[in-house]
Amino acid sequence: SQQGEEDPQALSIQEGENATMNCSYKTSINNLQWYRQNSGRGLVHLILIRSNEREKHSGRLRVTLDTSKKSSSLLITASRAADTASYFCATAPMGAGSYQLTFGKGTKLSVIP
Amino acid sequence: SQTIHQWPATLVQPVGSPLSLECTVEGTSNPNLYWYRQAAGRGLQLLFYSIGIDQISSEVPQNLSASRPQDRQFILSSKKLLLSDSGFYLCAWRDRVTNEKLFFGSGTQLSVL
Repeated sequence: SQQGEEDPQALSIQEGENATMNCSYKTSINNLQWYRQNSGRGLVHLILIRSNEREKHSGRLRVTLDTSKKSSSLLITASRAADTASYFCATAPMGAGSYQLTFGKGTKLSVIP
Repeated sequence: SQTIHQWPATLVQPVGSPLSLECTVEGTSNPNLYWYRQAAGRGLQLLFYSIGIDQISSEVPQNLSASRPQDRQFILSSKKLLLSDSGFYLCAWRDRVTNEKLFFGSGTQLSVL
């Protein structure tokens, strides 16, 4: 079943602008992760935030997690044309299902030069 | 360093034909291994995961099967392909100890005609 759901499904911005993508999920999680996928390629891990963390930074990426609302956001600052890709959130559930990592449908980001 | 190899990159198969996709991981031991399928423009659906040799868990009933004959080898198979088996298949591994982020292969685009 789909655990994470990204919003919006597609986002088009100008180079230099910030891009914000949101993810909502349904059950308690151990951690939440964001991945990037260039067209026709495998996914690449971007950042992981644990359930006891509220915010995390990595370069131009900023991730927030609100476990009370079961939601996360990914902010890409000062976007570049090379950031054009699909972005997925993935949740790792607590307990027995922790081997599984469930992905949302993704947000397709287009950065226009 | 760890690497993951997945082949072939593209495959066109007639309905009713068999399938074998192979994935191998190098540079790590006892990884958790995963097969995902991605329909066009959709999120990732977990098909199988394995926490050890001959330990395979199936997430969805389907026309596919998986095997792990060696520690770092994961094979996705079908005896008779259906049209609905078309999609982008991704193999991934995860460190057994940390059990956190996934490392993906480059994917196989399967078209069943």
